[in-house]
Amino acid sequence: DAKTTQPNSMESNEEEPVHLPCNHSTISGTDYIHWYRQLPSQGPEYVIHGLTSNVNNRMASLAIAEDRKSSTLILHRATLRDAAVYYCILRYGSEKLVFGKGTKLTVNP
Amino acid sequence: DAGVTQSPTHLIKTRGQQVTLRCSPISGHKSVSWYQQVLGQGPQFIFQYYEKEERGRGNFPDRFSARQFPNYSSELNVNALLLGDSALYLCASSLDRTGHEQYFGPGTRLTVT
Repeated sequence: DAKTTQPNSMESNEEEPVHLPCNHSTISGTDYIHWYRQLPSQGPEYVIHGLTSNVNNRMASLAIAEDRKSSTLILHRATLRDAAVYYCILRYGSEKLVFGKGTKLTVNP
Repeated sequence: DAGVTQSPTHLIKTRGQQVTLRCSPISGHKSVSWYQQVLGQGPQFIFQYYEKEERGRGNFPDRFSARQFPNYSSELNVNALLLGDSALYLCASSLDRTGHEQYFGPGTRLTVT
């Protein structure tokens, strides 16, 4: 399984944008980049996924580097509800998601 | 619409016992996956079922087994429980085999004493 590297923790202030980085230098051409988040005492929640092009949805934006060796999850205006552990996952083929330790995001009021 | 539901919410078992955990996927979702999450770690993949057939298995001992029923609900069974099996067990469903968007339930917290 292709590996990802994320910072252990990040902090942000409420209503400010947040950029969560992920390095995946060994990504293959067919690996999709997925982001999930896990709020305290809840199951993981799907955020966004992409292959090559940048993606936007109602929750976030995903910016993928041209060489695909890194990506950034962008929360445009952080709220207290966005405090969670964010997982960057590479996936190809099977449904199996391989979670790392993720980035714990703290949002300050 | 109801999300993924799991039962029971919490469970306490003794070493050596057997446990069955249940999962109901979102209506219309045909794929169910099971994950184990130990405190402080990310979830680890156990099984995936699609259309009632096992499509993937993680690195777990044979004490772990699962099945999917015609209505796409699923059960995870763990035999001969060990203390190390104490964890949050998560079920995720998705519409099809691509699994790009998986929806997780709240989990079952299993404590083995």
